[in-house]
Amino acid sequence: AQSVAQPEDQVNVAEGNPLTVKCTYSVSGNPYLFWYVQYPNRGLQFLLKYITGDNLVKGSYGFEAEFNKSQTSFHLKKPSALVSDSALYFCAVSDLYSSASKIIFGSGTRLSIRP
Amino acid sequence: DTAVSQTPKYLVTQMGNDKSIKCEQNLGHDTMYWYKQDSKKFLKIMFSYNNKELIINETVPNRFSPKSPDKAHLNLHINSLELGDSAVYFCASSPGLANPAFSYEQYFGPGTRLTVT
Repeated sequence: AQSVAQPEDQVNVAEGNPLTVKCTYSVSGNPYLFWYVQYPNRGLQFLLKYITGDNLVKGSYGFEAEFNKSQTSFHLKKPSALVSDSALYFCAVSDLYSSASKIIFGSGTRLSIRP
Repeated sequence: DTAVSQTPKYLVTQMGNDKSIKCEQNLGHDTMYWYKQDSKKFLKIMFSYNNKELIINETVPNRFSPKSPDKAHLNLHINSLELGDSAVYFCASSPGLANPAFSYEQYFGPGTRLTVT
């Protein structure tokens, strides 16, 4: 069975600094990995995904994520944080053997960017 | 223009009542989902339908019954509401199973905040 862990409940970063939100995963086969963002009182929005190919994937709003198979990680990164990046971020995982597009979400990491 | 819409946005009701939440998507997607997000923001899948057929049914009390009249709609009916049902319920959709590379990109509705008193 697949699982995903986000070890940090909260990440605090000053505006303009680089940010990293951590995610590790466990799956039976090759992973499909995702990041979603949730702004206050809104539904989740898809940010980016890794299915196959380059280990560094680029997504919306200047975010990128690096797939590391040996460390089973998929950390979300951005070179220069904006105050508007403050939100709740979810890592998610699935694999080819999962039924019906089922993806498992992590517990979420609240990102707070201070001016 | 709204891709995935839910009604109502807020629902306040008393224990023991029966209520429904409606969801519609205009993206032409084949697969729809219901998620529950608790007060700690933990997101858990409840049900999924593909072309009106139930394909995911997680461990959910049978007081919860989904219904999909067509592939653009997935409604959630809850009988005998309990305090623990208070949460935000999200509907989502995805393109479907034909191409796994895209089937997992899910588009979420704005949520329905259910408060049971």
